Amino acid sequence: IAGITQAPTSQILAAGRRMTLRCTQDMRHNAMYWYRQDLGLGLRLIHYSNTAGTTGKGEVPDGYSVSRANTDDFPLTLASAVPSQTSVYFCASSENDGGNEQFFGPGTRLTVL
Amino acid sequence: GQNIDQPTEMTATEGAIVQINCTYQTSGFNGLFWYQQHAGEAPTFLSYNVLDGLEEKGRFSSFLSRSKGYSYLLLKELQMKDSASYLCAFMDSNYQLIWGAGTKLIIKP
Repeated sequence: IAGITQAPTSQILAAGRRMTLRCTQDMRHNAMYWYRQDLGLGLRLIHYSNTAGTTGKGEVPDGYSVSRANTDDFPLTLASAVPSQTSVYFCASSENDGGNEQFFGPGTRLTVL
Repeated sequence: GQNIDQPTEMTATEGAIVQINCTYQTSGFNGLFWYQQHAGEAPTFLSYNVLDGLEEKGRFSSFLSRSKGYSYLLLKELQMKDSASYLCAFMDSNYQLIWGAGTKLIIKP
């Protein structure tokens, strides 16, 4: 059982380029989330999806977009990367959007130059 | 507004007990989570408190006081592998997690 996977593990990207971070879970969880983690700050929610076909904006959505075409996949796209988007990105999932624990993927370390 | 606070770093000795505190302010509350995160790895779930009181799970216990906006994580019989960051997060009225910056716990022999 893989749980939740992310790709790539790390990436160096030139500013202005488009990038999609991939996230797949095999737990049939309804809710999925994208966070960024920066030194000295708590995890910050970028976008979320409570169920396939729906998405919502989190605390820091600007410059990012998501889609949820099916239960398993929740890709995060940076349309035109900027250096301030350099961060570690975590995808997470939970059974539902209520008081359930969230399971995290291994993360993607993204550097925008 | 909403905020959450926890100490940046703590040091403890192998075999000892350590308490990591977390305070929060929010108008809507749906529970308090603790996660462990080893350096370079993903956060992993430790505990969830929605009612006041102490929840014990092996060497780890978590306490919540909703009226005081306060929680703590208690780690007993510390082991070197417990060296990690401990993240506190509350679930707000929209069922979104608001995270503290984490407490880095350093265990010394």
